[in-house]
Amino acid sequence: AQKVTQAQTEISVVEKEDVTLDCVYETRDTTYYLFWYKQPPSGELVFLIRRNSFDEQNEISGRYSWNFQKSTSSFNFTITASQVVDSAVYFCALSEAEGGADGLTFGKGTHLIIQP
Amino acid sequence: NAGVTQTPKFRILKIGQSMTLQCTQDMNHNYMYWYRQDPGMGLKLIYYSVGAGITDKGEVPNGYNVSRSTTEDFPLRLELAAPSQTSVYFCASSYSSSGQGALGREQFFGPGTRLTVL
Repeated sequence: AQKVTQAQTEISVVEKEDVTLDCVYETRDTTYYLFWYKQPPSGELVFLIRRNSFDEQNEISGRYSWNFQKSTSSFNFTITASQVVDSAVYFCALSEAEGGADGLTFGKGTHLIIQP
Repeated sequence: NAGVTQTPKFRILKIGQSMTLQCTQDMNHNYMYWYRQDPGMGLKLIYYSVGAGITDKGEVPNGYNVSRSTTEDFPLRLELAAPSQTSVYFCASSYSSSGQGALGREQFFGPGTRLTVL
């Protein structure tokens, strides 16, 4: 079973629209971290945010906001007033205490297309 | 600081050839990782290292080997390349204080190496 599910494979919106990217995770750990990374067409991975399992406060950074809800095991990402430069693949990732690697488990990503 | 650097950027291999993907970081990070990204998929962990001389398998280690002789370098070796190893390979690093593990630490990624095996 997938540990990180990003059900939206591709989303296309017109510039200035708001868009929400969904992320659902699965873990048995009580201590874990969730991440969002952006992968623009150039291919590099850009860190956006990290949230630990004990902090359910929503976070806003400019046009970006994140909604973490443990009750639904979700960590959704909203872009307000989208811009063409937001076009990218966005990955949600999980880091768990168990397993030893402390590596990240990634979802399959959501390809966001912002049309001018 | 250059951060995490990877060489080469692109490579085409024939089936059965071998090669080493290089990864170097200049941030004095103790943790280093290798991931692969297949088309339309997220990244999957191949191997990781918690410090010089210590490596361990991740989710998809078959067909690969690693070594960590220095803090800075973490090369990934492909022996007997197969078409299934066609992918983009990312190296990453993170830092954690001794004994605390790397849970929750931000990982810094290199630019990736695009490998095609024909």
